[in-house]
Amino acid sequence: DSGVTQTPKHLITATGQRVTLRCSPRSGDLSVYWYQQSLDQGLQFLIQYYNGEERAKGNILERFSAQQFPDLHSELNLSSLELGDSALYFCASSVVGVGSPLHFGNGTRLTVT
Amino acid sequence: QQPVQSPQAVILREGEDAVINCSSSKALYSVHWYRQKHGEAPVFLMILLKGGEQKGHEKISASFNEKKQQSSLYLTASQLSYSGTYFCGTETMGSTGGGNKLTFGTGTQLKVEL
Repeated sequence: DSGVTQTPKHLITATGQRVTLRCSPRSGDLSVYWYQQSLDQGLQFLIQYYNGEERAKGNILERFSAQQFPDLHSELNLSSLELGDSALYFCASSVVGVGSPLHFGNGTRLTVT
Repeated sequence: QQPVQSPQAVILREGEDAVINCSSSKALYSVHWYRQKHGEAPVFLMILLKGGEQKGHEKISASFNEKKQQSSLYLTASQLSYSGTYFCGTETMGSTGGGNKLTFGTGTQLKVEL
């Protein structure tokens, strides 16, 4: 158990809808990362937060947004969903923002129908 | 930019050795290695920092050539439990400063057979 909690485990929704994925980092970790993994694909970096502030951005679509709250949990919001957004979304946390191992949650599997 | 991993896949017999390579065209702060089993979350194996520091599991070894921006993961005396997909992640400083952008390669599928 990595100590990173992601909810929900599965989400099934229709195209055009909006969903929110939630992540609670390991106790003591200040940095949260979001990754998207499509079927049998690699891990695509979306965004990183450190202590509530956005610190690095990857190939995150404009329809996607994220934030990290004062209690350090993070939410990833996906809107105007398309079939291609179906994927496994991982959250990871680390102690600090640089040079620290990432600890991944079990992921949220999103299916857009 | 995504780091390049090689090979894409490798099949070993138990007890054999393997090397997985990772290269980047960018100056790196660190290189991470993770293993992911099918349907599970990636698990941290090792991090190699600029300047030579390493953190990771005792049974895993890796190298980081800072001049060439290349890293290699060495798997020796492989066991069935080593099977999975290995990802290298390359860390560069984030565009907003103070953070890092950890970009993963496409992965190397490793299968260990009896």
